[in-house]
Amino acid sequence: DAGVIQSPRHEVTEMGQEVTLRCKPISGHNSLFWYRQTMMRGLELLIYFNNNVPIDDSGMPEDRFSAKMPNASFSTLKIQPSEPRDSAVYFCASSRDRDYGYTFGSGTRLTVV
Amino acid sequence: GENVEQHPSTLSVQEGDSAVIKCTYSDSASNYFPWYKQELGKGPQLIIDIRSNVGEKKDQRIAVTLNKTAKHFSLHITETQPEDSAVYFCAALTSNTNAGKSTFGDGTTLTVKP
Repeated sequence: DAGVIQSPRHEVTEMGQEVTLRCKPISGHNSLFWYRQTMMRGLELLIYFNNNVPIDDSGMPEDRFSAKMPNASFSTLKIQPSEPRDSAVYFCASSRDRDYGYTFGSGTRLTVV
Repeated sequence: GENVEQHPSTLSVQEGDSAVIKCTYSDSASNYFPWYKQELGKGPQLIIDIRSNVGEKKDQRIAVTLNKTAKHFSLHITETQPEDSAVYFCAALTSNTNAGKSTFGDGTTLTVKP
């Protein structure tokens, strides 16, 4: 298994631009999580899906952030418009059931200038 | 909701010594406790976990202990090696919620000096 696949690995964009981060979870996993990691705030859960349905998006910072999971093998996290304070590493993770550990992707390092 | 506290935030040991990282949690309904290791430039990786019906679990040089009464659990690494240097995160999960949402500790940066 290739694990959780995220793209792109690095993204540099200008303030105000739209950014889309992509994630392919492990086949057969039914939960998917988006996290943001910064030195100041550590690992923050943004949103998670169970069986493609958003369960809790209370961690999404504001309306500029949106996430979708149109099918079991793909999810996107979109930021529109992006701001410098969105600069962070964004991780996608999946798990095979509600009480199992997560498999994280390698992350997307986002820099907004 | 669940709150997880992790100590210490940094830990430095000599190669060959043992390292212990401790976590406490607040929700008595939490029943699954994974530990993750994050190396520089990579995502966290699950290294060991324990469920609430077990008090201790070992996997080679690493072990995890759980005290449900006191609501704390610990990671023990014996015979540390330089490649053990990383950030370690504990987490707690309540599986009776709608989906398996883990609450993470703030992380411990472990440095093993050769």
